[in-house]
Amino acid sequence: SQTIHQWPATLVQPVGSPLSLECTVEGTSNPNLYWYRQAAGRGLQLLFYSVGIGQISSEVPQNLSASRPQDRQFILSSKKLLLSDSGFYLCAWSRTSGGSDTQYFGPGTRLTVL
Amino acid sequence: AQSVAQPEDQVNVAEGNPLTVKCTYSVSGNPYLFWYVQYPNRGLQFLLKYITGDNLVKGSYGFEAEFNKSQTSFHLKKPSALVSDSALYFCAAGLMDSSYKLIFGSGTRLLVRP
Repeated sequence: SQTIHQWPATLVQPVGSPLSLECTVEGTSNPNLYWYRQAAGRGLQLLFYSVGIGQISSEVPQNLSASRPQDRQFILSSKKLLLSDSGFYLCAWSRTSGGSDTQYFGPGTRLTVL
Repeated sequence: AQSVAQPEDQVNVAEGNPLTVKCTYSVSGNPYLFWYVQYPNRGLQFLLKYITGDNLVKGSYGFEAEFNKSQTSFHLKKPSALVSDSALYFCAAGLMDSSYKLIFGSGTRLLVRP
């Protein structure tokens, strides 16, 4: 079966500090990978998605970047965090790029920027 | 613009009573429709989806949803609510002409009282 991991689970960072969040998927190969942010416990905003190693598409231009150094690893980064970067970050994967394919979510990382 | 609406911010039901969480969509073409559940500080958990065929879709934990094309709705239902069903529920639509994007509703908080 497939499993998706995210770490750390929680993170408190000062404004201006760098960020690195990691997501890994087990039990599948060549997944589509996604980063979402959930603000105020409600709406989900797609930040990045990737269909393969080194292939990243950005949905929203902002203070964040993503990389996919390995097939099942997806990293969310920032050089300098802003207060507005606080939120709950969710990684997800799907088998294919079809609109009917289910996205499966990881447990999330709670980021607080002070 | 393509959108998914969850008109109720919160739904309150008594344990043992039937529950309905409403979802309507406005997308071009035939949508693929999903329901997810989120428990506090956790990732989204897939419940069920509609792709084509039978309008009544059965999913995990006794939940089901009915696709109604004329009313552009995909309401989530359960015959008998449990206190443990209390969570945040998201409806989402996948598009035939979009290979990756899920359009999420704003979420409905379900509170089941004992």
